Amino acid sequence: DTEVTQTPKHLVMGMTNKKSLKCEQHMGHRAMYWYKQKAKKPPELMFVYSYEKLSINESVPSRFSPECPNSSLLNLHLHALQPEDSALYLCASSQDPSGQSLYGYTFGSGTRLTVV
Amino acid sequence: GEDVEQSLFLSVREGDSSVINCTYTDSSSTYLYWYKQEPGAGLQLLTYIFSNMDMKQDQRLTVLLNKKDKHLSLRIADTQTGDSAIYFCAEKENTGFQKLVFGTGTRLLVSP
Repeated sequence: DTEVTQTPKHLVMGMTNKKSLKCEQHMGHRAMYWYKQKAKKPPELMFVYSYEKLSINESVPSRFSPECPNSSLLNLHLHALQPEDSALYLCASSQDPSGQSLYGYTFGSGTRLTVV
Repeated sequence: GEDVEQSLFLSVREGDSSVINCTYTDSSSTYLYWYKQEPGAGLQLLTYIFSNMDMKQDQRLTVLLNKKDKHLSLRIADTQTGDSAIYFCAEKENTGFQKLVFGTGTRLLVSP
């Protein structure tokens, strides 16, 4: 299995809803990431998990709450989002959290989130 | 974060070569990458180059690196309509974690 699987593919939620995005990989990768991508823009890093521990939070608002229950799963819990949070949310994983290896990321196909 | 710049748009005819350029900022970056994103999809790693290399060839793809000018390019030979997508270069920041910073993206349109 060489994929990163994200669910759901599409999500529409109201500003008072609570929802979760899920990401799963079975490649034995020990680093997992959440990126946010607005239309016509590059992906922007939100969170990095290394060995199931949060290692980077790029000053993301608390209405986004990441969780890494085990080495294969990464969740992003959403609560009280704003319409400007509508975007493509991409999960990725990489083999070596230390940054010493050449390997880039393996990306999932993303969840397209619309906040109404 | 660092600003990694790319030209916005490139249009070529099928069978021509495409050259996508990227200017990065972190001279200590050890690896540089090219990713492809098709509409509505995630990012697919195309190729990478180590910072002590000048050139890398991988089938139809050729990556050139000019460290002095911090300039990276991706050449696609015999461009096909299936190559139409957005291409992002990315540099790995030396933070001790695999933090990739992506360029602004180049939309490649290949016409028949």
